Amino acid sequence: DTAVSQTPKYLVTQMGNDKSIKCEQNLGHDTMYWYKQDSKKFLKIMFSYNNKELIINETVPNRFSPKSPDKAHLNLHINSLELGDSAVYFCASSPASGMKGYTFGSGTRLTVV
Amino acid sequence: DQQVKQNSPSLSVQEGRISILNCDYTNSMFDYFLWYKKYPAEGPTFLISISSIKDKNEDGRFTVFLNKSAKHLSLHIVPSQPGDSAVYFCAANAGGGNKLTFGTGTQLKVEL
Repeated sequence: DTAVSQTPKYLVTQMGNDKSIKCEQNLGHDTMYWYKQDSKKFLKIMFSYNNKELIINETVPNRFSPKSPDKAHLNLHINSLELGDSAVYFCASSPASGMKGYTFGSGTRLTVV
Repeated sequence: DQQVKQNSPSLSVQEGRISILNCDYTNSMFDYFLWYKKYPAEGPTFLISISSIKDKNEDGRFTVFLNKSAKHLSLHIVPSQPGDSAVYFCAANAGGGNKLTFGTGTQLKVEL
């Protein structure tokens, strides 16, 4: 029974396409996140939602749009994909404060060709 | 601007010996630090944390040390086991907020 599940696990797509990555958590956490791990292995926050409300929006191109239909789901939609978007995207959730640590999903490896 | 740095991308240790993973930070507002462990094709999992009011926290084979004046923390694993082979990420939090800032990770390999 996966705590934070994200789909798909692998995504290969052409430049210019639009794609979505879905994330769901069954931990009852209030806060969900999207992190990007680039080729240099740097894990960097993109977005954070608390109870469906956007609370963190780092400097991310507006081609990336998170959507939270309810507090258990945070999906990531990417328009007009570029080569530089190739990375591993991790969804995570936490109780209201990040001090208790996150629970991460297993990641989605996005490859743009 | 990388506020959390793990300058050793890899570390190799023999089974049974001590593994020491290091982490440095630049932001003096960070007051809570965490270590995560990551296996291939999996997400990072929480390992151990420390508040800035402490200088040491221990959990079984894992101990984290914090030196605030040097803005440095380290994770000690003793004795190291082959199952400890993974990437270890250091992370920091400021003021109890939601955002964690991660380092780039250190690949630990524990050899038989």
